[in-house]
Amino acid sequence: NAGVTQTPKFQVLKTGQSMTLQCAQDMNHEYMSWYRQDPGMGLRLIHYSVGAGITDQGEVPNGYNVSRSTTEDFPLRLLSAAPSQTSVYFCASSYSRASAKETQYFGPGTRLLVL
Amino acid sequence: GEDVEQSLFLSVREGDSSVINCTYTDSSSTYLYWYKQEPGAGLQLLTYIFSNMDMKQDQRLTVLLNKKDKHLSLRIADTQTGDSAIYFCAESIGGYQKVTFGTGTKLQVIP
Repeated sequence: NAGVTQTPKFQVLKTGQSMTLQCAQDMNHEYMSWYRQDPGMGLRLIHYSVGAGITDQGEVPNGYNVSRSTTEDFPLRLLSAAPSQTSVYFCASSYSRASAKETQYFGPGTRLLVL
Repeated sequence: GEDVEQSLFLSVREGDSSVINCTYTDSSSTYLYWYKQEPGAGLQLLTYIFSNMDMKQDQRLTVLLNKKDKHLSLRIADTQTGDSAIYFCAESIGGYQKVTFGTGTKLQVIP
């Protein structure tokens, strides 16, 4: 299994540009989520999905869209990038949310710089 | 509210014990976790403790939970240079959409 994969690893955008961060998992996990990591602020949940066709907002959803058309993929879209979206983005997945002790598997991250 | 706080930095000598502390504010937390993040990588779950437990030991790792003070700690015995990383505590209340991460503690191990 490849686990959780993310592309690209690094991206530079200009303010106002749009892009999609890709996330895929091959573990047949129901639950997938996107976090952003900023210095001194830990990880903050952007959006999450409990299964194909179902998404919901997390703590900091503004400026981001998601969709979940398949179990495997959970792309994160920035519609109009802003410098405040400069961050490291992590995708994570787990079997379900039924038990909070289920291990979340994290991808390697995407570093985004918005100029 | 849900705030999880950690000190930002800890430096220890190789072979010593490391203790990383965390405080949380939500008394209805179900599980508390410790994650490790190595440079340039994602987070990896180290261990977790259920909220009705006081202590959990796993090889060199000992987790202590003081529910009265809402204090969680991670002790790493015989700290090695490979333990250098950022350690995050996190709490969940009934499901992953409510996992709240701390700010992370950067552990530096001096040879």
